[in-house]
Amino acid sequence: DTAVSQTPKYLVTQMGNDKSIKCEQNLGHDTMYWYKQDSKKFLKIMFSYNNKELIINETVPNRFSPKSPDKAHLNLHINSLELGDSAVYFCASSQDGQTIYGYTFGSGTRLTVV
Amino acid sequence: GDSVTQMEGPVTLSEEAFLTINCTYTATGYPSLFWYVQYPGEGLQLLLKATKADDKGSNKGFEATYRKETTSFHLEKGSVQVSDSAVYFCALKGSSGGGADGLTFGKGTHLIIQP
Repeated sequence: DTAVSQTPKYLVTQMGNDKSIKCEQNLGHDTMYWYKQDSKKFLKIMFSYNNKELIINETVPNRFSPKSPDKAHLNLHINSLELGDSAVYFCASSQDGQTIYGYTFGSGTRLTVV
Repeated sequence: GDSVTQMEGPVTLSEEAFLTINCTYTATGYPSLFWYVQYPGEGLQLLLKATKADDKGSNKGFEATYRKETTSFHLEKGSVQVSDSAVYFCALKGSSGGGADGLTFGKGTHLIIQP
């Protein structure tokens, strides 16, 4: 049983397209996150959702929009894709305020924009 | 704001060598500290953690001690194996604000173990 699952694992698309990445967690956590990992492996938080409410929105272009239909899902929608959006995107979840178990990450989605 | 600084990589060692990967942090209050590992082509896995000063986290032969006086959380292992080759991330969760403020990561250290 996968705790945090992302789909697709790989995504190759052309500039200007719109795409979505899906994330689901079966841990009962109430907070979910999206992180971006660039080509140098640097990880930066993009968004977090707690009880369907956006908590963090770092300096991310508004072409990126998180969508959470329920507590177990946090999808990432990207409009008008650009070459610089190529990266690995990780979904994660945590139980709000609980640091005992850290955060659980998905296996990542490698997005390539051509 | 919070920040994490790790030693630059790649770090290349021979099998059975002693490993140290340095990590220092800047944060207000009393953050929780983590080490995550990313094996090639995979996501991040929690390796170990410490939630208060002088705590020692340990797992799979790796250890790290939360040193508030030096704001450090260095990762050590007495005898590395080829299978330890991966990217290691030091991270912190700040104590200020709510629980939904995510983790702050260091830039990662690529470890290469040669047979």
